[in-house]
Amino acid sequence: DTAVSQTPKYLVTQMGNDKSIKCEQNLGHDTMYWYKQDSKKFLKIMFSYNNKELIINETVPNRFSPKSPDKAHLNLHINSLELGDSAVYFCASSLQTGSREKLFFGSGTQLSVL
Amino acid sequence: AQKVTQAQTEISVVEKEDVTLDCVYETRDTTYYLFWYKQPPSGELVFLIRRNSFDEQNEISGRYSWNFQKSTSSFNFTITASQVVDSAVYFCALYNFNKFYFGSGTKLNVKP
Repeated sequence: DTAVSQTPKYLVTQMGNDKSIKCEQNLGHDTMYWYKQDSKKFLKIMFSYNNKELIINETVPNRFSPKSPDKAHLNLHINSLELGDSAVYFCASSLQTGSREKLFFGSGTQLSVL
Repeated sequence: AQKVTQAQTEISVVEKEDVTLDCVYETRDTTYYLFWYKQPPSGELVFLIRRNSFDEQNEISGRYSWNFQKSTSSFNFTITASQVVDSAVYFCALYNFNKFYFGSGTKLNVKP
């Protein structure tokens, strides 16, 4: 019974392609996030959604477009992939925005752009 | 500005040694929360502890203990009698203004 599940776990693709990563949480949380972890392990927030509404949009290229069809799902679509997009992308959820509740993370999607 | 610094990039110890992971944070707010997460080689991040800024009491959980000192803006993590399974990257994080700010992580290698 995985709390936050994201697919795929590995994604290898060519530059210029478009790809999506899916995330689902079964915790009943209101808030979901996308984080990017670079090769130096640095974790940076990309987006945050609260009950399908965009709350945080850090300075992320608009090639990245999150979509939240319902509060249990937050997908990430990336257009025109670039070499610098190679990283591990983590989905996470928390009870609600502003509640300082702990984050529950998915197992990550390792994206390699060739 | 909010910032978390983990100055130790990588630490190697031999099993059964004690090890302390340092975390220093910056914030101008008086209300904030501090976290530690563990990222084992399998990749997922696992929550270890949360501490709010009004509670400076140290905490012990088994072999893990945390020392929170507001005077030095530090929230250090000690593992007593380390084990090989403790090998992981450990992240300190600050929650403030609806965002989490993560440190760059400390990689801990525990050798048998």
